[in-house]
Amino acid sequence: AQTVTQSQPEMSVQEAETVTLSCTYDTSESDYYLFWYKQPPSRQMILVIRQEAYKQQNATENRFSVNFQKAAKSFSLKISDSQLGDAAMYFCAFISNFGNEKLTFGTGTRLTIIP
Amino acid sequence: DAGVTQSPTHLIKTRGQHVTLRCSPISGHKSVSWYQQVLGQGPQFIFQYYEKEERGRGNFPDRFSARQFPNYSSELNVNALLLGDSALYLCASSLVRVAYGYTFGSGTRLTVV
Repeated sequence: AQTVTQSQPEMSVQEAETVTLSCTYDTSESDYYLFWYKQPPSRQMILVIRQEAYKQQNATENRFSVNFQKAAKSFSLKISDSQLGDAAMYFCAFISNFGNEKLTFGTGTRLTIIP
Repeated sequence: DAGVTQSPTHLIKTRGQHVTLRCSPISGHKSVSWYQQVLGQGPQFIFQYYEKEERGRGNFPDRFSARQFPNYSSELNVNALLLGDSALYLCASSLVRVAYGYTFGSGTRLTVV
């Protein structure tokens, strides 16, 4: 069974600064996908960024980028130029490319942006 | 295009009652999944349906059931409600494969008293 661990329950960052959220996972599979989702108070889970395990290049989406270390099973999210609208719960998630299409989530990191 | 829509947004039920939650996926999405998110935790997988067939089931009791209709909308049913069933229930839809990630609805907040 896969597990996803987010060891930082809460993080805070000054507006316009950079913050990194940590995520580690455990799996015996080699073909999978990793995601970061954002959940603001509106409750809707919003996909921030995705990474394919077989791609060595780290994914980037505007101010969001990941540091994917497959051997270490680490998948951290870096948010650059933090904005007030980035305040939310952030969840790391794993899905295998085989078997049922089940997302396994971590417990989340609450990100606060300090004006 | 409308996103994933869920109804109702909130409801309160009494222990032992039954509840039905509804989900309409994004147009063209044939896969629908249900997740339970207890306060302070990450979502937990309940069911996945694709083309009206159950493709996966999480570690939930038989009191939980679901189905998908010909128009790909879905219902989640929970019987004999317990206090511990109080949670945010999220529906998510995707195209054939989830390689590009699910799109989630805003959820139904269920409170059992």
